[in-house]
Amino acid sequence: DAMVIQNPRYQVTQFGKPVTLSCSQTLNHNVMYWYQQKSSQAPKLLFHYYDKDFNNEADTPDNFQSRRPNTSFCFLDIRSPGLGDAAMYLCATARGGSPYEQYFGPGTRLTVT
Amino acid sequence: GESVGLHLPTLSVQEGDNSIINCAYSNSASDYFIWYKQESGKGPQFIIDIRSNMDKRQGQRVTVLLNKTVKHLSLQIAATQPGDSAVYFCAENPNTGNQFYFGTGTSLTVIP
Repeated sequence: DAMVIQNPRYQVTQFGKPVTLSCSQTLNHNVMYWYQQKSSQAPKLLFHYYDKDFNNEADTPDNFQSRRPNTSFCFLDIRSPGLGDAAMYLCATARGGSPYEQYFGPGTRLTVT
Repeated sequence: GESVGLHLPTLSVQEGDNSIINCAYSNSASDYFIWYKQESGKGPQFIIDIRSNMDKRQGQRVTVLLNKTVKHLSLQIAATQPGDSAVYFCAENPNTGNQFYFGTGTSLTVIP
């Protein structure tokens, strides 16, 4: 089945130690998104790619970076995780062009110790 | 990001009753909206969408109403079932690209 896959599902990192979260998709969608979701809050858009074009949200901290080496994969890099970065990180995809529904992965829960 | 909010953070309904979840959005230029259901520990799941050229759209047991005059969305769930218990979010596309901004969310609890 076509889907959005996130690895790992649970990630523990130390304060200040760089961490990378991965997302892959078999939908061949043009757009890939990263959201941060803290407990009992709505998903917050960090950035998205339309093909290779990177679109950052104005309030996304510089500590968060992203890479999209090809259509299928997208990575979220947190350069120096702080305790406040502990959250669920959600990847989503969508077809490009006129807005279409997003397909979400199961998320990676990040713990910072 | 855009401001998309919900009036009620929690909602409890009896099994079999209808549920109505509301959402207010701030950008009058937004032209596409999605309702999502999120169960604990899972990613949001698409329920139904609506474009701004419509004021109503129906799916299986769900109906979305859009009132552009007051910038308001609602999700109606008919004959609510225990499996409908989850957090529901509306999301807004502000017609400036492919971004989606989520509202606060409503936690729906269905009482058997």
